[in-house]
Amino acid sequence: QKEVEQDPGPLSVPEGAIVSLNCTYSNSAFQYFMWYRQYSRKGPELLMYTYSSGNKEDGRFTAQVDKSSKYISLFIRDSQPSDSATYLCAMTAPLSSASKIIFGSGTRLSIRP
Amino acid sequence: EADIYQTPRYLVIGTGKKITLECSQTMGHDKMYWYQQDPGMELHLIHYSYGVNSTEKGDLSSESTVSRIRTEHFPLTLESARPSHTSQYLCASSDGGNQPQHFGDGTRLSIL
Repeated sequence: QKEVEQDPGPLSVPEGAIVSLNCTYSNSAFQYFMWYRQYSRKGPELLMYTYSSGNKEDGRFTAQVDKSSKYISLFIRDSQPSDSATYLCAMTAPLSSASKIIFGSGTRLSIRP
Repeated sequence: EADIYQTPRYLVIGTGKKITLECSQTMGHDKMYWYQQDPGMELHLIHYSYGVNSTEKGDLSSESTVSRIRTEHFPLTLESARPSHTSQYLCASSDGGNQPQHFGDGTRLSIL
């Protein structure tokens, strides 16, 4: 079983919809959680970085962490065609070896105009 | 804004050639990483470095080697390229602790 599970999609929604992307994980030591966006033929770009449980909002993006359920989410409001990309969740434990980050396999998202 | 640069962006080369993929960052980050990513697949850590003169192998076995002579520079070398090395190679850096990693745009390598 992978440490981080992420539905690969593809997920296709109409423009303006609210998008929910999710990951589950098995290692209760994870405390730092990230969401990256990766466009085709580009490197991952950091979108959100959160510590422990709770919500964090940045513009149209909200990251949510539920450590009791080992479940994290990224919500995108008022989705735009430019949001079409692969979204990777990632997480790490405090003082992990080399600050190694464990990545999900990514969810491909397509926003239909 | 992350400033991490990879060259070349694309490379198509024949079997048996020696290849060096360049990665440089201007943020002064101590930690640097190399990942391998096949299309539609997850990232696999192949090498990392804590700082100058420090290199370690990652979770995925790789025939490549790395060096870290300067803080800002972390090149990856394949002594004799093979078709099985065809992949995208992503370089990243971080400011230590549990800070997130920042990525370059990758080198897409194709070995004929």
